[in-house]
Amino acid sequence: EIVMTQSPATLSVSPGERATLSCRASQSVSSNLAWYQQKPGQAPRLLIYGASTRATGIPGRFSGSGSGTEFTLTISSLQSEDFAVYYCQQYNKWPPENTFGQGTKLEIK
Amino acid sequence: QVQLVESGGGVVQPGRSLRLSCAASGFVFSSYGIHWVRQAPGKGLEWVAVISYDGSNRYSADFVKGRLTISRDNSRNTAYLQMNRLRPEDTAVYYCAKDQTIFGALIPGNWGQGTLVTVSS
Repeated sequence: EIVMTQSPATLSVSPGERATLSCRASQSVSSNLAWYQQKPGQAPRLLIYGASTRATGIPGRFSGSGSGTEFTLTISSLQSEDFAVYYCQQYNKWPPENTFGQGTKLEIK
Repeated sequence: QVQLVESGGGVVQPGRSLRLSCAASGFVFSSYGIHWVRQAPGKGLEWVAVISYDGSNRYSADFVKGRLTISRDNSRNTAYLQMNRLRPEDTAVYYCAKDQTIFGALIPGNWGQGTLVTVSS
């Protein structure tokens, strides 16, 4: 069983600044890692898959990096609409069970 | 554009059954795997089940195995989640999601808005 651990649980950042969110896998998942954004009352939205490929329509300020067990989601210049909860998900093998991290809440400082 | 609409949620007593539906449009439904992911109130995302594009492969998480069954009808562009012997801990918003890649069944891509299931006496 692969366990995904996100840090920090809450991140406080000012608009316009950079945010860096981390996700660690308990064993290697290669580059089979996705990031999702969820705003209150809304469904999650896929941001990144393949560790670094932006999904359709995702702004360039969102970038993903990493491989193996350590991954990072970077938001280069925070906009007001970026404050949300972010989840990582591993999909290294089928079936994709126990896939999501516990989430990082990105809040306005 | 891609649209997924869940329905069938509601309040149900423990031990009873419920069937959720996920109606899809805006893409070739028969070419994509479908996931169900749930979120208990105030909690994180929990993957529940997945079915391949043609229905030949399906899998449910251990915590629901034997109680929740995923299926699909490609002629109706609809996926289903049959939920039996419901427990209070099954209370959650249930989302369906289309896989990100054609013929894939690993990455929930486009998500519906979810349907709330409340299990309570």
